[in-house]
Amino acid sequence: GAVVSQHPSRVICKSGTSVKIECRSLDFQATTMFWYRQFPKKSLMLMATSNEGSKATYEQGVEKDKFLINHASLTLSTLTVTSAHPEDSSFYICSARDWATSGPSTDTQYFGPGTRLTVL
Amino acid sequence: GENVEQHPSTLSVQEGDSAVIKCTYSDSASNYFPWYKQELGKGPQLIIDIRSNVGEKKDQRIAVTLNKTAKHFSLHITETQPEDSAVYFCAATDSWGKLQFGAGTQVVVTP
Repeated sequence: GAVVSQHPSRVICKSGTSVKIECRSLDFQATTMFWYRQFPKKSLMLMATSNEGSKATYEQGVEKDKFLINHASLTLSTLTVTSAHPEDSSFYICSARDWATSGPSTDTQYFGPGTRLTVL
Repeated sequence: GENVEQHPSTLSVQEGDSAVIKCTYSDSASNYFPWYKQELGKGPQLIIDIRSNVGEKKDQRIAVTLNKTAKHFSLHITETQPEDSAVYFCAATDSWGKLQFGAGTQVVVTP
């Protein structure tokens, strides 16, 4: 159980184009999903918290107009990198919290396999 | 805010030996401490977690200890195997319930 998928796993795009990454919880419902960015040999950096049916909350320094997040259902959140530039190239990872359980178990985050974005 | 420090940054062990990774945190309100294993090119995989009302938890060859007074927690891997080679991250929840990650430990298990 607690499987999270991401699509695509890899994407290469030209500078100036937009790229959409999907994050799905396959066997549980997630009111909250998180988007992280990871540079090579570095730790995970939280970009934003995605809440189903409401606006995402962004971490300090993350441009909300550049990284659009939509959490339209309890199993799907999308991250769109708009007008991508080479400096946006990175490994993007989502995670999801299981909604079904209340109390301490809601802290647990399950991660997707990540999406490697390369902007030429 | 929460600050999580993790040591060592790299750890080489002989197959069969034990590996220990230590983390400290700063926010006394933190109450959930997961450990993740990340293989190259993949997402982090939850391997074990511990909550603040427990001092120790074990799952086969993996154990985690928590000292809330000292604000530190550790991951112990016994009888290491080559497939244990990966980057391991500790994390702690901050006051907003978000995870703050340590910098990671590259573990290399040599046969």
